[in-house]
Amino acid sequence: DQQVKQNSPSLSVQEGRISILNCDYTNSMFDYFLWYKKYPAEGPTFLISISSIKDKNEDGRFTVFLNKSAKHLSLHIVPSQPGDSAVYFCAASATSGTYKYIFGTGTRLKVLA
Amino acid sequence: DAGVIQSPRHEVTEMGQEVTLRCKPISGHDYLFWYRQTMMRGLELLIYFNNNVPIDDSGMPEDRFSAKMPNASFSTLKIQPSEPRDSAVYFCASSFTPGELFFGEGSRLTVL
Repeated sequence: DQQVKQNSPSLSVQEGRISILNCDYTNSMFDYFLWYKKYPAEGPTFLISISSIKDKNEDGRFTVFLNKSAKHLSLHIVPSQPGDSAVYFCAASATSGTYKYIFGTGTRLKVLA
Repeated sequence: DAGVIQSPRHEVTEMGQEVTLRCKPISGHDYLFWYRQTMMRGLELLIYFNNNVPIDDSGMPEDRFSAKMPNASFSTLKIQPSEPRDSAVYFCASSFTPGELFFGEGSRLTVL
């Protein structure tokens, strides 16, 4: 049972354009969400997070949007750069209970120069 | 700080052999997580510890898998006996309550 789903395994975007990566979750107890970026042969690195008390969080070129009613979050990268080409994972946890982070299957982003 | 350190980076072994993966978390972090990355399931949580105590091991696939954290600076994930379907990249991560996870570079396991 996949509680966190990333339904697009891959995405290609032209340099300078917007990249939108999507993530859906099923557990209504999830209240803290994170995005990670992973380059080949490296561990995932933290990108941005959002708590359920917010619907948007912005950090430079990266913005995460949370739609609690739809149980959906998205990561926007504007403008996209070739160095953004990586696998992106979303993760969710229910901080009121445990700090068990559940990850999605990842979306491979390719930014074309 | 040195970050999360995992060893070995690569391990090739034969079916039936024992495999031990090691992790040194970031000093001061009180949570430690073991994940396995596969194409089909992405990053799959195997087990996590809080203050060296296992909290949830429901992701451990079989009794062949075991994990320990004898002290705050060391953890092991053991597979005995190993099988070809255990081939994956195993990640260790640590965090300070609550917050982002810091991952190691992973241990790529190949079981022939």
